[in-house]
Amino acid sequence: GAGVSQSPSNKVTEKGKDVELRCDPISGHTALYWYRQSLGQGLEFLIYFQGNSAPDKSGLPSDRFSAERTGGSVSTLTIQRTQQEDSAVYLCASSHGIGRGGGDTQYFGPGTRLTVL
Amino acid sequence: GNSVTQMEGPVTLSEEAFLTINCTYTATGYPSLFWYVQYPGEGLQLLLKATKADDKGSNKGFEATYRKETTSFHLEKGSVQVSDSAVYFCALSGNFGNEKLTFGTGTRLTIIP
Repeated sequence: GAGVSQSPSNKVTEKGKDVELRCDPISGHTALYWYRQSLGQGLEFLIYFQGNSAPDKSGLPSDRFSAERTGGSVSTLTIQRTQQEDSAVYLCASSHGIGRGGGDTQYFGPGTRLTVL
Repeated sequence: GNSVTQMEGPVTLSEEAFLTINCTYTATGYPSLFWYVQYPGEGLQLLLKATKADDKGSNKGFEATYRKETTSFHLEKGSVQVSDSAVYFCALSGNFGNEKLTFGTGTRLTIIP
């Protein structure tokens, strides 16, 4: 079946502009995660959605970052007033979700490479 | 909080050599442990996992054993191939609503023929 898809694959923007990154998880997966991969910080967690529960936003680096998940499926990560330090690859992952106990495998999308000039 | 410490890279080996990439962790409770791999130009994919102490995860000739007493999950392969060249990430997650992954810094492995 189809895996996790993300769009766009590449995004170049100017400092100060807003950007939206999209993630389509695997059908039927109730858990969705956003991570960021950058040279200086490695792979870091941003936000986690599980079903209808309130999202875990503990990894968002500032209030310029927000995310939503509509209808329990597609998610959008929004970065407002982008800064050069936001340049990174933004990864989305999905999994079957809570109730499966430990070791729930997360399946990653190809990522969106964001470059802020 | 949770953390993962991973062997610094890069690592360069000859084909058919034995591979070990060290990984240790700090976590509360009983985390699950993972190795993810990122091949050149590709996305992150799960290599293997273990969900409780003394479990051994294995895939594609790679193995790792969940050692609670030493808080380790070292990755091993007896005979590496050129196609194993990639970046390897050790990671852990909590359970039951706390499944976000905490990653190590990654180890770049290059296998030369």
